[in-house]
Amino acid sequence: GAGVSQSPSNKVTEKGKDVELRCDPISGHTALYWYRQRLGQGLEFLIYFQGNSAPDKSGLPSDRFSAERTGGSVSTLTIQRTQQEDSAVYLCASTAGPNTGELFFGEGSRLTVL
Amino acid sequence: AQTVTQSQPEMSVQEAETVTLSCTYDTSESNYYLFWYKQPPSRQMILVIRQEAYKQQNATENRFSVNFQKAAKSFSLKISDSQLGDTAMYFCAFSGRTQGGSEKLVFGKGTKLTVNP
Repeated sequence: GAGVSQSPSNKVTEKGKDVELRCDPISGHTALYWYRQRLGQGLEFLIYFQGNSAPDKSGLPSDRFSAERTGGSVSTLTIQRTQQEDSAVYLCASTAGPNTGELFFGEGSRLTVL
Repeated sequence: AQTVTQSQPEMSVQEAETVTLSCTYDTSESNYYLFWYKQPPSRQMILVIRQEAYKQQNATENRFSVNFQKAAKSFSLKISDSQLGDTAMYFCAFSGRTQGGSEKLVFGKGTKLTVNP
């Protein structure tokens, strides 16, 4: 596709359930990022992929959060045993590589944990 | 660790007027990038303008320009001839070499700008 695609756009789940959020980056973009944006807040870095490897996972808030990327393309962010504080918009971004400076963002997945 | 501070949670401006959004940052690096991103209600983050730290000349993109003061670690955004479509959250961001060479963007908390007719 022409841009970064994320699904689902909105997800409502019950506390304790697992959720998977998907990101399909721009074709050819080797670097992929996940950010979390709580209501009215800025963006918190979660994890960075270069190809299929994740050299920077420093932003993952707990071991309930994990992410993978396959084929150097699609990435999945998984949150296990969701908590109410996980409610946020999860944004994915991609870029052609280091030193380009600009990230291209998807529209995000809004997660609501009841 | 790098930090980015936006001290104005909300601002408003009349259509056609000029407004300046403030941003300061903290880093020990000498080479880095600074950005302003716009996030309208649709949630799509859009790059407004980019500045490379080694360039002394302030970046300009049409009605948007920056005042980059490297020694003061200040990076403000000026919007001239404000338009209703400029209403959005504006985020200042910093990018430099970090763990794993990620060059991740570190964002400020944002400034909500409202352009009034």
